[in-house]
Amino acid sequence: GENVEQHPSTLSVQEGDSAVIKCTYSDSASNYFPWYKQELGKRPQLIIDIRSNVGEKKDQRIAVTLNKTAKHFSLHITETQPEDSAVYFCAAIRGGAGNKLVFGAGTILRVKS
Amino acid sequence: NAGVTQTPKFRILKIGQSMTLQCTQDMNHNYMYWYRQDPGMGLKLIYYSVGAGITDKGEVPNGYNVSRSTTEDFPLRLELAAPSQTSVYFCASSYADRGLNTGELFFGEGSRLTVL
Repeated sequence: GENVEQHPSTLSVQEGDSAVIKCTYSDSASNYFPWYKQELGKRPQLIIDIRSNVGEKKDQRIAVTLNKTAKHFSLHITETQPEDSAVYFCAAIRGGAGNKLVFGAGTILRVKS
Repeated sequence: NAGVTQTPKFRILKIGQSMTLQCTQDMNHNYMYWYRQDPGMGLKLIYYSVGAGITDKGEVPNGYNVSRSTTEDFPLRLELAAPSQTSVYFCASSYADRGLNTGELFFGEGSRLTVL
């Protein structure tokens, strides 16, 4: 089955700096890669996702890049703000019946002001 | 729309007791999931369902059971609670298209369960 590894486990940045979180996946047939943000005590919420037919997707200050050959994808947050402080989870899934979305272990991002 | 609603929000159980976590969604999603979240361990899939009457095991199904008699409801049953089941449980739902490609997962607020 799919296995997703996420690095780093914790990341501290200064407000205004960029943050990058990387994930690798094992199943070369995986074709959907979402990123979820979980604020303290809250539910995870989708912030951006990418399908395997594109290499990059942007939404304001966040972007996701996908390298299918190397089987890794990354979340990029630019101009970080204190409200970006949260736990970020990557995930991967292969389309089709019976397949399961598998999450990485999460990255705690702290933005220092 | 209320989205995904799960109850209870908090529960303390004694070892060996049983309980059911309730989950209901009003978005007419075909897929539903139960995850548990332990500190530093991310979200582990317990069970999932691709439609009413169909359920399947996830990564950590032992000690749990589920049923999906309707599109809306997906209860999680804990039998003979053990301290290892102390965790935060999240129910989620999503819509999968005809190609069975799932989209965004919508999570409930979580249920914090402590087994003593």
